[in-house]
Amino acid sequence: GENVEQHPSTLSVQEGDSAVIKCTYSDSASNYFPWYKQELGKGPQLIIDIRSNVGEKKDQRIAVTLNKTAKHFSLHITETQPEDSAVYFCAAYGNNRLAFGKGNQVVVIP
Amino acid sequence: ETGVTQSPTHLIKTRGQQVTLRCSSQSGHNTVSWYQQALGQGPQFIFQYYREEENGRGNFPPRFSGLQFPNYSSELNVNALELDDSALYLCASSGTEWNEQFFGPGTRLTVL
Repeated sequence: GENVEQHPSTLSVQEGDSAVIKCTYSDSASNYFPWYKQELGKGPQLIIDIRSNVGEKKDQRIAVTLNKTAKHFSLHITETQPEDSAVYFCAAYGNNRLAFGKGNQVVVIP
Repeated sequence: ETGVTQSPTHLIKTRGQQVTLRCSSQSGHNTVSWYQQALGQGPQFIFQYYREEENGRGNFPPRFSGLQFPNYSSELNVNALELDDSALYLCASSGTEWNEQFFGPGTRLTVL
């Protein structure tokens, strides 16, 4: 089955700086790559996604890039704010299911 | 538009007991997927329900079973609870695009 790996496990950034989280996947048949933000005590919230026929997508301060050849995709958060502090999960969709990475704890230091 | 809701919020059971968790899908969504999230880990796919039938299953034993009702709500049943079943159980609903999944707040199950 699909194997999604996520790096780094913890990321601390100064408020206003950028944060980048990288993921790799194993199954070339996966065709949809969402990113979720999970705050303490809550379920994952879909923040941005990208399909396999697109290389980059941007929504205000967040962007996602996909390299299908290398099976890499990344989340970029610019101008980080304290409310961006959370655990971020990448996922890959194939065979009727989402396969998730282990998550990145992002800490924005005011 | 109502989001995905789950009940109960928290549950404590003992080993060997059985538990039923419930999920109401987002308005307009007809597909429900269940995930188990252990502490510090990403969610793991249990199964998906579409048109009241199981439509894909992850690597979970048969004591994990489910149902979907005509109103698209769903139940997750776990029999013979084990300590390792302690986790956050998440329900996600999707519409015509099965890949675009929206999660509920989860049910925190503790098995003692």
